[in-house]
Amino acid sequence: GNSVTQMEGPVTLSEEAFLTINCTYTATGYPSLFWYVQYPGEGLQLLLKATKADDKGSNKGFEATYRKETTSFHLEKGSVQVSDSAVYFCALSPNQAGTALIFGKGTTLSVSS
Amino acid sequence: EAGVVQSPRYKIIEKKQPVAFWCNPISGHNTLYWYLQNLGQGPELLIRYENEEAVDDSQLPKDRFSAERLKGVDSTLKIQPAELGDSAVYLCASSLGGTKIYNEQFFGPGTRLTVL
Repeated sequence: GNSVTQMEGPVTLSEEAFLTINCTYTATGYPSLFWYVQYPGEGLQLLLKATKADDKGSNKGFEATYRKETTSFHLEKGSVQVSDSAVYFCALSPNQAGTALIFGKGTTLSVSS
Repeated sequence: EAGVVQSPRYKIIEKKQPVAFWCNPISGHNTLYWYLQNLGQGPELLIRYENEEAVDDSQLPKDRFSAERLKGVDSTLKIQPAELGDSAVYLCASSLGGTKIYNEQFFGPGTRLTVL
């Protein structure tokens, strides 16, 4: 079946530190991969996506590369800000029209100044 | 453009009481999803609608949960009777739908249910 595993949190960093949140997946076929972010009191927002192997998704300084050989989609940012404090979810779509997303458990990031 | 609207944002009820959640998707979005998010977990699908038809309700506990999407626009999710374990956040999402493999899903802010 399809599943997503992401690193346990919370992750606590100082401002301007380098961020990595690991995500690995299990899927049949060729899924699309996503990172969603949930800021306090708000709904889930799409942060970035990649739809095929070796694609790199990027947005707001965050990046993730779809690695088929390691079934991974790790989220990285070179210099985090306090405003990046949120919960980050890795997710996959099995690439069938309209299918629901399958999410990891989420990783809480806390950035201090 | 307005996003996905959900109400209420918070609901506190006694166990065995009924409760209903409402969702208004983005205009023109044919596909509507209800997800359940337990504390410390990622969202999990409860039901998916294509227009007014429920095309995937395999994860909906049908003994106490029901949903409807009249006229293929707004949707209501109901729990009757509620149990303590139903305390969670109920998320609604919508997407354009159709035959395209992937259409971005847009999420509402969720309804946080507390059952006492």
